[in-house]
Amino acid sequence: GAVVSQHPSWVICKSGTSVKIECRSLDFQATTMFWYRQFPKQSLMLMATSNEGSKATYEQGVEKDKFLINHASLTLSTLTVTSAHPEDSSFYICSATLPTGRKDYTFGSGTRLTVV
Amino acid sequence: DQQVKQNSPSLSVQEGRISILNCDYTNSMFDYFLWYKKYPAEGPTFLISISSIKDKNEDGRFTVFLNKSAKHLSLHIVPSQPGDSAVYFCAARGNAGNMLTFGGGTRLMVKP
Repeated sequence: GAVVSQHPSWVICKSGTSVKIECRSLDFQATTMFWYRQFPKQSLMLMATSNEGSKATYEQGVEKDKFLINHASLTLSTLTVTSAHPEDSSFYICSATLPTGRKDYTFGSGTRLTVV
Repeated sequence: DQQVKQNSPSLSVQEGRISILNCDYTNSMFDYFLWYKKYPAEGPTFLISISSIKDKNEDGRFTVFLNKSAKHLSLHIVPSQPGDSAVYFCAARGNAGNMLTFGGGTRLMVKP
C-alpha cells in the first residue's frame, strides 16, 4: 500500500511551452505532498511543499510563478512548469507523507523533463 | 549550506562483505533520519529509518546507527549483494516540520 503514482515519466517539450506533472496517491489520502528536483549526479532538492486546499510553500530560490503547484484534492497534486526553458530540464520527483502512524515518506517514480 | 552531507560519492564492496555508508548532519533540530535507495530515473525507495531517541535500528540485512553527539549516522548492509548496487541517500527531518533534507548520495557498487 501507500503508492504514489507520478505521470508522465518522461516528457520533451519545446522552449516556451508549459508542462504539467501529476502526482497521485493511489490508496491513501495525502494532505501534504512535496516536490523535488534532481539534477544529474546531484541530490534531491526540495522545491516546494504542497498542502491540500492551501497555497504551496516554496523554498528559497524557487520561482512560484514559474513552478505552479496545485493540490486541489487529497489524492492529487500537480506541478506545472510554465514557459519552460532548457535550464529547467531536470528530474522532478513528488513525495507524500503517509497516514498517521507511519513516519516514512513515499515517492513517485519521477518525471524526466527535457526542454529543447 | 549543506545540512546533510554524504562525503563519499562512491563505494565499492565485494559481494558478501559489509557495506558501510556514512552521513553527517549539522542541524541539531533534526529528529528523524531515513535512508533511501535510488536507481537512475526512478523515485527513491525507503529502506530504514531511525528516531533521534534511538541509537540503532535493524531490519534484516540493513542496520542504521545514530551517534547524536557526533551528528553522524551510518547504514550497514550485511551481507552485501549485487542487487544492492544503487545510489543511497540519507535524509533528515526536523522537529518543526515534516520536510526532508537529503544528502548528496553515495553510489554503492557490489561486485560479484
